[in-house]
Amino acid sequence: EAGVAQSPRYKIIEKRQSVAFWCNPISGHATLYWYQQILGQGPKLLIQFQNNGVVDDSQLPKDRFSAERLKGVDSTLKIQPAKLEDSAVYLCASSPYPVTEAFFGQGTRLTVV
Amino acid sequence: AQRVTQPEKLLSVFKGAPVELKCNYSYSGSPELFWYVQYSRQRLQLLLRHISRESIKGFTADLNKGETSFHLKKPFAQEEDSAMYYCALSGSSNTGKLIFGQGTTLQVKP
Repeated sequence: EAGVAQSPRYKIIEKRQSVAFWCNPISGHATLYWYQQILGQGPKLLIQFQNNGVVDDSQLPKDRFSAERLKGVDSTLKIQPAKLEDSAVYLCASSPYPVTEAFFGQGTRLTVV
Repeated sequence: AQRVTQPEKLLSVFKGAPVELKCNYSYSGSPELFWYVQYSRQRLQLLLRHISRESIKGFTADLNKGETSFHLKKPFAQEEDSAMYYCALSGSSNTGKLIFGQGTTLQVKP
């Protein structure tokens, strides 16, 4: 079974620039999550989709972060403009349904300089 | 507030020694608890969940609601157990949202 795919693997940008991350979940998985993992901390949920609808975006900094999941499959997460504190690994995960096992991608490591 | 605490950032043991990775949680309802593991250069993956009550790779974890703990244990550590371990909680809202602890690095020395 193919896993969750994310790209790019690494990204370095200057502060105030914009950046986008892409995630392709496991085929047939209705639930998709974006987590932010700052160095030395556990992952923190940014946004959760069920098909193409948002279930939880309570911790998404909406003034600079946006995410979409068109057609209920692939998803993109965008940051505009980036701040130094956005440096982190951005993890995408998917599951067939909520509360079942979440399968994680390898993540995108973002460095904002 | 929902919170997961892993008090140890690093746990270092010798091969064959017992291992206990501590996890305490704060949640008012009936949570579901998980242990996720990340081996070097691999993605985060589920190790075990409390409702399964199974042993994976020799690891077990028992939910203690009185002490609000979900410690991960293994009687005899192996070098291949060296990894980062995260305890996570999913609340009763059934959204699947996971709240992670800060993680504990387990280092098993030969």
